[in-house]
Amino acid sequence: GAVVSQHPSRVICKSGTSVKIECRSLDFQATTMFWYRQFPKQSLMLMATSNEGSKATYEQGVEKDKFLINHASLTLSTLTVTSAHPEDSSFYICSAKRDVWGYTFGSGTRLTVV
Amino acid sequence: GESVGLHLPTLSVQEGDNSIINCAYSNSASDYFIWYKQESGKGPQFIIDIRSNMDKRQGQRVTVLLNKTVKHLSLQIAATQPGDSAVYFCAENSGANSKLTFGKGITLSVRP
Repeated sequence: GAVVSQHPSRVICKSGTSVKIECRSLDFQATTMFWYRQFPKQSLMLMATSNEGSKATYEQGVEKDKFLINHASLTLSTLTVTSAHPEDSSFYICSAKRDVWGYTFGSGTRLTVV
Repeated sequence: GESVGLHLPTLSVQEGDNSIINCAYSNSASDYFIWYKQESGKGPQFIIDIRSNMDKRQGQRVTVLLNKTVKHLSLQIAATQPGDSAVYFCAENSGANSKLTFGKGITLSVRP
């Protein structure tokens, strides 16, 4: 149990276009999901907290207009990277909070902007 | 600011030996700690967790120790296997906002 599906696993897009990444909790409801970004050989850095039915909470330094987060249901959160540029190339990972103490991570999305 | 850090960036061990990975945290309000394993190109995989009301917890081949006095967390892996080779992260949760803060990560390399 407690599976989180993240899609796509890899995506290559042209500079200036937008990319949407989906994060789904398959067998549980998640009122809270988290989006992380990870650069090579670095740790996971929290970008934002996604709350079902309300606006996302962004970490300091993360542009909310560039990284659009939508958490429209208890099982789906999406991250849209708008007007992507090469510096946005990274590994994006979502996490769903399933109870007070439980966090389940997706398998990540490798974004390459060319 | 608050941070979670690791003492060593890399650790190389002989197959069959025990591994010890250490983590220091600075947020005294943290009440829940998790160790994750991450293989290349994949998301973090849960290994073991511990709450602040405990100082030791054991799983299969793994043990987590928590020393709140010195704000130190360690992961012990018994009889390390090649499949244990990965990057390991400690993470902490201070409760109020449910956010997990990750440490810098350490690469465990197992020599055959």
